[in-house]
Amino acid sequence: QKEVEQNSGPLSVPEGAIASLNCTYSDRGSQSFFWYRQYSGKSPELIMSIYSNGDKEDGRFTAQLNKASQYVSLLIRDSQPSDSATYLCAFKGGAGGSNYKLTFGKGTLLTVNP
Amino acid sequence: NAGVTQTPKFQVLKTGQSMTLQCAQDMNHNSMYWYRQDPGMGLRLIYYSASEGTTDKGEVPNGYNVSRLNKREFSLRLESAAPSQTSVYFCASSASGEGTQYFGPGTRLTVL
Repeated sequence: QKEVEQNSGPLSVPEGAIASLNCTYSDRGSQSFFWYRQYSGKSPELIMSIYSNGDKEDGRFTAQLNKASQYVSLLIRDSQPSDSATYLCAFKGGAGGSNYKLTFGKGTLLTVNP
Repeated sequence: NAGVTQTPKFQVLKTGQSMTLQCAQDMNHNSMYWYRQDPGMGLRLIYYSASEGTTDKGEVPNGYNVSRLNKREFSLRLESAAPSQTSVYFCASSASGEGTQYFGPGTRLTVL
């Protein structure tokens, strides 16, 4: 059964620090990985996608994927109070699974303290 | 562009009542989804439609039915609401199953 596990929160970091969010998945056939951000009371929005092993950087955000170890992480550098939100990791594809749907983790609540 | 719209935004039902949640997208996307989100449970897929004319069950389909009315619209029906269906419901769409899904603002449903 496909599962996604995220590091249990809540995670609290001071402003300007690096926030590290981690996610492990059980399906070795998973091909695509995504990080969504959800502000309180709002809907999720995509912030990063990653398909190959290694790092992918976009501004203050870096996604890291290690398929051999089955984990994906999100680093937020120079964290800002506006980064305070729940971060959801998700994956697509995999053995026997539909390529049309995502499986989401339960999310990690991040709070950035001024 | 409005993106993904959902109606209603809030709804209170009594046990046993029925209702339909409406969703529409104006991005010409082929794939549409219905999720529910409960505290501590993350997003769980109820049903999805990979393309117009097809629908498939997700992780938690029991108690729900869906209709892909046309390419733009995907509705979710609760035939006999139960308190366990109290949740926030999100509709989403994507271009042919792309991992980038665009979410509507959500419907907060309470079943008494």
